[in-house]
Amino acid sequence: DAKTTQPTSMDCAEGRAANLPCNHSTISGNEYVYWYRQIHSQGPQYIIHGLKNNETNEMASLIITEDRKSSTLILPHATLRDTAVYYCIVSVAGGTSYGKLTFGQGTILTVHP
Amino acid sequence: DAGVIQSPRHEVTEMGQEVTLRCKPISGHNSLFWYRQTMMRGLELLIYFNNNVPIDDSGMPEDRFSAKMPNASFSTLKIQPSEPRDSAVYFCASSLVGGGASPYEQYFGPGTRLTVT
Repeated sequence: DAKTTQPTSMDCAEGRAANLPCNHSTISGNEYVYWYRQIHSQGPQYIIHGLKNNETNEMASLIITEDRKSSTLILPHATLRDTAVYYCIVSVAGGTSYGKLTFGQGTILTVHP
Repeated sequence: DAGVIQSPRHEVTEMGQEVTLRCKPISGHNSLFWYRQTMMRGLELLIYFNNNVPIDDSGMPEDRFSAKMPNASFSTLKIQPSEPRDSAVYFCASSLVGGGASPYEQYFGPGTRLTVT
């Protein structure tokens, strides 16, 4: 699986958009980008995933660059409850992977009033 | 849906004792994952099952750790004998592989915080 690089920490004001970057310059054509977050003392929570098109769901938007070497997770209106560690993961779908995920250190997002 | 259920939520035991952690995956899911999280090593995948069969146990730290999945609704992670360095939060997660679902959309349980003294 391709390696990802994320900033160690970021701050965001409540109500503003939080833009979390992820670099995955060695991503292969069949690898997806997944985002999870982990709120303190809870298990990780799936947010969104994508291959090459931008994706949006009720939680967030995922913007993947045309060359797929980087992506940005966007929380459009951050709240205090969005304070968490955000993980960007690249993995191959299908085959014998059965969904194996490798978590890095992630980005600690702090949303302040 | 009740989500992934783990028990116990907290476990304190003495070094050398056997510890058994339990997990009930989401009904209908066919993949189950055991993770361990510590401050030093982050979140590590220990083992995962598909259709109750262990697929990859390369993350299991040593022979003291074993995991079973006797049926689709139950799995255990056992540590025998336990050591202080096993102290961590152990998470169980499940997902659905196949049928158009993304196997990487995993649902995590609340975790079991294990302390070995």
